[in-house]
Amino acid sequence: SYELTQPPSVSVSPGQTARITCSGDALPKQYAYWYQQKPGQAPVLVIYKDSERPSGIPERFSGSSSGTTVTLTISGVQAEDEADYYCQSADSSGTYPNVVFGGGTKLTVL
Amino acid sequence: EVQLVQSGAEVKKPGESLKISCKGSGYSFTSYWIGWVRQMPGKGLEWMGIIYPGDSDTRYSPSFQGQVTISADKSISTAYLQWSSLKASDTAMYYCATPYYYGSGSPHDAFDIWGQGTMVTVSS
Repeated sequence: SYELTQPPSVSVSPGQTARITCSGDALPKQYAYWYQQKPGQAPVLVIYKDSERPSGIPERFSGSSSGTTVTLTISGVQAEDEADYYCQSADSSGTYPNVVFGGGTKLTVL
Repeated sequence: EVQLVQSGAEVKKPGESLKISCKGSGYSFTSYWIGWVRQMPGKGLEWMGIIYPGDSDTRYSPSFQGQVTISADKSISTAYLQWSSLKASDTAMYYCATPYYYGSGSPHDAFDIWGQGTMVTVSS
């Protein structure tokens, strides 16, 4: 079955840049999406179609893609950015693409 | 305001059946896919499946095919997730979600509107 691989954890100090990666074989052919989830809350979409930012999401959130890896970058990290982050994409095999989430990355702001 | 409102928390015994709901409002319910996502306690998100209420086209993740049933009643703008025989391993938070603002009409678009979640606890 298709898998998206994320690092379990990333730690940064306030004001620094956090980069969270997501790897998957089909990523060159399928869009990736990123969600932020804080404890006790539903996920919030922060990046769609690899690098587009939804309305209301701060400019410090950006996305990029290179080959089989996509990256969520948070520039000038703030304490409020501490959360779990998940990537989402689909494989491109079969009649119906199989949608999956990455395992999630816990961002800790030191 | 576009929103999804889910039914309340459930506590059930193994072997029992269950149907939880997700009511859409503020938009054309039949025109957007609506999906279900599982989150087991302390774990990550899992994409379960999705339905297009306009024609009931339904897709399941291979991991959930045959384990749950997704349906929708467009007359009352409500989607459902149901189990015929619950297991303890079904204990989880279940979210419904829809790609309303940023989707392209694909069943694997990102979800930008989420329900508040329904906690299902299965215990003897």
